[in-house]
Amino acid sequence: DAGVTQSPTHLIKTRGQQVTLRCSPKSGHDTVSWYQQALGQGPQFIFQYYEEEERQRGNFPDRFSGHQFPNYSSELNVNALLLGDSALYLCASSPPPGVEGTLEEKLFFGSGTQLSVL
Amino acid sequence: DAKTTQPNSMESNEEEPVHLPCNHSTISGTDYIHWYRQLPSQGPEYVIHGLTSNVNNRMASLAIAEDRKSSTLILHRATLRDAAVYYCILRDPYNFGNEKLTFGTGTRLTIIP
Repeated sequence: DAGVTQSPTHLIKTRGQQVTLRCSPKSGHDTVSWYQQALGQGPQFIFQYYEEEERQRGNFPDRFSGHQFPNYSSELNVNALLLGDSALYLCASSPPPGVEGTLEEKLFFGSGTQLSVL
Repeated sequence: DAKTTQPNSMESNEEEPVHLPCNHSTISGTDYIHWYRQLPSQGPEYVIHGLTSNVNNRMASLAIAEDRKSSTLILHRATLRDAAVYYCILRDPYNFGNEKLTFGTGTRLTIIP
């Protein structure tokens, strides 16, 4: 069973460009969250998608947008890239509540996409 | 979001037990205590979680103080593969619509061969 897969693994862009990152959740999972991790910091929550809708959003500007498809896969788009957007972008998926017998469903993370903005 | 406090770094010898502390003095009654770890060049992975009672699984044990204001993740016999950043996180499963994980900077665990 494949876990959470993200593509690409590495990406180099220049300031002002736009980027799209992709995520396929673990089989059976319907909720996808995105996190940004700067060097030496813990991951910071960007937003969460459920039933193709953005359900919760962290403190990130509108340049960060996302999408969830009917097959639960997701994309993260970042417009007008800044140098400060250089980071590891992590995708996490979780199953519907109760699937594992508890409300406390754990998150499964992918290995991330390392984005460098020059 | 309730806040947790962890030491920035810890060292332990290989094959010895490791006790990773976490303080969460503002924990609410419905907050679960979660631990995730992040190995080098990987995303975080779930380790263990609990509410009030101590918990054990194949990876680790979680000891929760009686007043729930602190907890300790216990690795019973550390190996080199346990070298990672360990995050202690509070999460309320009944706070529907607020299901994000709030990570701090975690504890960087170094295992000495």
